[in-house]
Amino acid sequence: AQTVTQSQPEMSVQEAETVTLSCTYDTSESDYYLFWYKQPPSRQMILVIRQEAYKQQNATENRFSVNFQKAAKSFSLKISDSQLGDAAMYFCACRSGNTPLVFGKGTRLSVIA
Amino acid sequence: KAGVTQTPRYLIKTRGQQVTLSCSPISGHRSVSWYQQTPGQGLQFLFEYFSETQRNKGNFPGRFSGRQFSNSRSEMNVSTLELGDSALYLCASSTPVGDRDTQYFGPGTRLTVL
Repeated sequence: AQTVTQSQPEMSVQEAETVTLSCTYDTSESDYYLFWYKQPPSRQMILVIRQEAYKQQNATENRFSVNFQKAAKSFSLKISDSQLGDAAMYFCACRSGNTPLVFGKGTRLSVIA
Repeated sequence: KAGVTQTPRYLIKTRGQQVTLSCSPISGHRSVSWYQQTPGQGLQFLFEYFSETQRNKGNFPGRFSGRQFSNSRSEMNVSTLELGDSALYLCASSTPVGDRDTQYFGPGTRLTVL
């Protein structure tokens, strides 16, 4: 069974600054995928970034990037040049094969103007 | 391409009633998964359907059931509603090719049980 742990229930960042959200996971599979999803107050779950475990290169999507440390089973999300619209709940998730997506408890990010 | 749609968006029921929620996946997606989100338990997996067959099932009582139709649309049903069933129910779809591991979510159905 997979587990995902997000140790930071809440984080805050000043507008235009950089923030890093932490995530650790555990899986016995060798082939798996990691995700960060954003859930704003509208409650729509939005895919932020995706990482294949077999790829050593860290994924990036515009201002969002990850630090994937496979041996440490760590998958942190870095948000650069934070914007007010980045305020949301952020969920880390893991999936392998046809197993269900397993989510962490989430980190609530506040952006201070 | 249109995203995942869920209907209704909001629903109020009373204990003992039953409810049916609907999900239409992204065009071409054949896998549909359902999740329950509550403040206390977080996001919990309910079930997944692929080509009209249930592929995975979470740890929920038999009151929770689902099905998928030939056009990939899915419904989930909750019978004999309990107060604890109040939650946001999220549906997600994924494609069988390409980024088949990636799930795309709908806006959710907010169910309130009184």
